[in-house]
Amino acid sequence: GESVGLHLPTLSVQEGDNSIINCAYSNSASDYFIWYKQESGKGPQFIIDIRSNMDKRQGQRVTVLLNKTVKHLSLQIAATQPGDSAVYFCAENPTSGTYKYIFGTGTRLKVLA
Amino acid sequence: GAVVSQHPSWVICKSGTSVKIECRSLDFQATTMFWYRQFPKQSLMLMATSNEGSKATYEQGVEKDKFLINHASLTLSTLTVTSAHPEDSSFYICSASKNRVLGGYTFGSGTRLTVV
Repeated sequence: GESVGLHLPTLSVQEGDNSIINCAYSNSASDYFIWYKQESGKGPQFIIDIRSNMDKRQGQRVTVLLNKTVKHLSLQIAATQPGDSAVYFCAENPTSGTYKYIFGTGTRLKVLA
Repeated sequence: GAVVSQHPSWVICKSGTSVKIECRSLDFQATTMFWYRQFPKQSLMLMATSNEGSKATYEQGVEKDKFLINHASLTLSTLTVTSAHPEDSSFYICSASKNRVLGGYTFGSGTRLTVV
């Protein structure tokens, strides 16, 4: 059967408000990070990435911030919409060139109408 | 571009039988694909790296005789769960990259395996 796992932290946001999802990564040598969105029963979908030589990158309605000092990554979603409801994972590439990613625990975003 | 197809999307099998899951890169060639396992409300755990034309590289704790991986062509990798047991029930996801320089892998839609 299925194991009982940890419950994902949940962020509830009112539609139209901004969302901030946080992630702590583990390896100070990681040089590339990605945020993924996963809807129920589907595979993860790429949202935005950032290299370690940057501290901020913007996309359409999304911004990723990287703080290497405290090994922290955040995803900001502007004007959150119902379609943004999903689980969000950060992923780090701890070994440059291997293209092997380690995923964070994930955060469930619930958009309230 | 960069579409990854995974099949089947769900499968139910009896305990003791084997199940094969396919992962195809539809519009690009992928020398490397990855297989992940995801339990409910948990993150993705990398199981193995599938290398075209050579043996897969398994992560620590993953039984290679239980989870057989074959990457026979540049567009197809298969994961076979052998002698499945209920504890193998999980969501299995593959990924592949069109552009390794940029990173950012495209994921398949996942396969929900239920072993009864």
